[in-house]
Amino acid sequence: AQKVTQAQTEISVVEKEDVTLDCVYETRDTTYYLFWYKQPPSGELVFLIRRNSFDEQNEISGRYSWNFQKSTSSFNFTITASQVVDSAVYFCALIKAAGNKLTFGGGTRVLVKP
Amino acid sequence: DTGVSQDPRHKITKRGQNVTFRCDPISEHNRLYWYRQTLGQGPEFLTYFQNEAQLEKSRLLSDRFSAERPKGSFSTLEIQRTEQGDSAMYLCASSLAARFDRGASGTAISQETQYFGPGTRLLVL
Repeated sequence: AQKVTQAQTEISVVEKEDVTLDCVYETRDTTYYLFWYKQPPSGELVFLIRRNSFDEQNEISGRYSWNFQKSTSSFNFTITASQVVDSAVYFCALIKAAGNKLTFGGGTRVLVKP
Repeated sequence: DTGVSQDPRHKITKRGQNVTFRCDPISEHNRLYWYRQTLGQGPEFLTYFQNEAQLEKSRLLSDRFSAERPKGSFSTLEIQRTEQGDSAMYLCASSLAARFDRGASGTAISQETQYFGPGTRLLVL
């Protein structure tokens, strides 16, 4: 069985602060994929990033960066210099390489205040 | 390139009524998924199709739920005799799965990103 845990239910920051979202996962599979999705108030899940279990290279894309640590089963996500438009619920998700369904964490609500 | 679309966006119904939702995937995608999301939770898998074949169903999908994907294009999700517990956001996603050659190891299916639609928010009174 797979499990994704996002321990932070809600984070509130002031604009321009950095915010880091934690994600810890459990799987018995050796090959899997990890994702981050953003869900703004409109409800649509927006894909942000995908990572393979055999690729631990961290990535920076604009104000977003990701830290994948296979040894600790963590896939954390950081927003640098947050903006009000970053306010949303962020979901971490896992799928095994031969699987068909995403397993989602409970989500972390980020509120960026002006 | 249009994304995944869902119709309707909102549905209010009375307990005991039947409802049907539609999902149109990204045109070249051969896989289509349905998820359910209740308030404050992450989405949970319901079922998925590879072309027109329904290949997996979750235990969450009771006998009152039925999904179809005729001709491997759009999909419908019907809930019969709705109950208040069915109130949720129903999300559709699509992806492109392709078989690739791994040489001596045979072939495998690539695991592509699932792209989601805007969802249908159902309220059962």
